[in-house]
Amino acid sequence: NAGVTQTPKFRILKIGQSMTLQCTQDMNHNYMYWYRQDPGMGLKLIYYSVGAGITDKGEVPNGYNVSRSTTEDFPLRLELAAPSQTSVYFCASSDAGLGVYNSPLHFGNGTRLTVT
Amino acid sequence: QQQVKQSPQSLIVQKGGISIINCAYENTAFDYFPWYQQFPGKGPALLIAIRPDVSEKKEGRFTISFNKSAKQFSLHIMDSQPGDSATYFCAASHMEYGNKLVFGAGTILRVKS
Repeated sequence: NAGVTQTPKFRILKIGQSMTLQCTQDMNHNYMYWYRQDPGMGLKLIYYSVGAGITDKGEVPNGYNVSRSTTEDFPLRLELAAPSQTSVYFCASSDAGLGVYNSPLHFGNGTRLTVT
Repeated sequence: QQQVKQSPQSLIVQKGGISIINCAYENTAFDYFPWYQQFPGKGPALLIAIRPDVSEKKEGRFTISFNKSAKQFSLHIMDSQPGDSATYFCAASHMEYGNKLVFGAGTILRVKS
């Protein structure tokens, strides 16, 4: 069981470039999330999705876009990369159906992005 | 206020000692308090969680203590081992906020052998 898979693991971007961080899960989870992790700042929610075709902003959505065309995939798009987007990005999923809102988050192993 | 304050930022404990990490919150609507453990190069993983209707929850060497009146909760790691060296995040959520967790800033724990 692969769980949550993120690609690539590492990436260096130049300022102004764009890229897509890929995330796929094989647990048939409805809920998916994108977090960024910065030293001493914890994890901040960028975007989340409660199912295919439904997405919403989290705490820090500026500079990012998402789409959710299937249950399995939740890519994160960076347009016009900036140094402030240097971070480690984590995708996560959870099975929060049937009113079980406190289901554990299952995280991928992250993408380390550097923008220079 | 959707915020959780975590301390200390880093912690060094001798093998066999007790590690204690503290978190505080303001929003009394929070009703679910998990702790996540993260090893280098990996994503966080759920370690243990508590609801506010109990004051303590224990799983093996890991215990959450919860003080509702003080709006504080803490993680205690008994008989700390070098394999416990990791970053620990407290978090909180409430039903109206769905399953969107608010995370603390994290504590880097190092257990010296």
